[in-house]
Amino acid sequence: GAGVSQSPRYKVAKRGQDVALRCDPISGHVSLFWYQQALGQGPEFLTYFQNEAQLDKSGLPSDRFFAERPEGSVSTLKIQRTQQEDSAVYLCASSLVLNSVYEQYFGPGTRLTVT
Amino acid sequence: AQTVTQSQPEMSVQEAETVTLSCTYDTSESDYYLFWYKQPPSRQMILVIRQEAYKQQNATENRFSVNFQKAAKSFSLKISDSQLGDAAMYFCAYRNLEELVFGQGTRLTINP
Repeated sequence: GAGVSQSPRYKVAKRGQDVALRCDPISGHVSLFWYQQALGQGPEFLTYFQNEAQLDKSGLPSDRFFAERPEGSVSTLKIQRTQQEDSAVYLCASSLVLNSVYEQYFGPGTRLTVT
Repeated sequence: AQTVTQSQPEMSVQEAETVTLSCTYDTSESDYYLFWYKQPPSRQMILVIRQEAYKQQNATENRFSVNFQKAAKSFSLKISDSQLGDAAMYFCAYRNLEELVFGQGTRLTINP
C-alpha cells in the first residue's frame, strides 16, 4: 500500500513569507507526528495528533508554527513569517494507534530553505 | 526529560566486515522502546530494528543485531557482513509514550 507522502518535497521561501507543508498519512492511521530535522542533526519532535485532536504541541518552536488535521487524515504544518532558522527538513510520520508498540512510518520530508 | 546520545559522528567499515554503532540514553522510566533508524540521502527514515525494554533478549533482524544493556542505558547496533547499501545516517531513538527522541546520528560509510 501507499506510504506516508509529503508535499512539496522542496520549498524555498523568502524571509517573512508564510508556508504550508502537507502530510498524507497511511490510510487508517490514527496518530500523526511532525518532526523538524536541522542540517546534520537528528529529528526533533514538534507536535502530534490523534485523529483530529492535537494532543501535544510542546515542541513547536514559536507561535509562528501552527499545525492542523481537521478531518483526522491529512495534516498541514504552517509556518508564518518564516525566518532563516526555520530552514530544515520537516518530517511527518504516522502510526496505527498512539501506542509505543506500533511503528511510526515516516514520509520523505519537505526540505524548507528560507533565504 | 529523556535524552539520546550518539558519540560517533562518523564511522567507516570495509565491505563484508562488521561494525558497531554506539548509543546511550537517559530516562527514569522502566518501560520504553528503543529503535535504530536508517536515513539514506533520500531522507526517508527506515526502521532497522526495535527493542522493548522489558525484554532481556537482544533483538536481531538478519544482519542487524543490538546489544541492549538496560542498567547501563546502552543500546548499540551491530551490522554484520556490511554491504554498500548500508551506507546512510543511522539514528538511535527512544520512545516511552508518544514521540520519538532521536540522537544526533552516525554517518556510516562502507568502503568497497
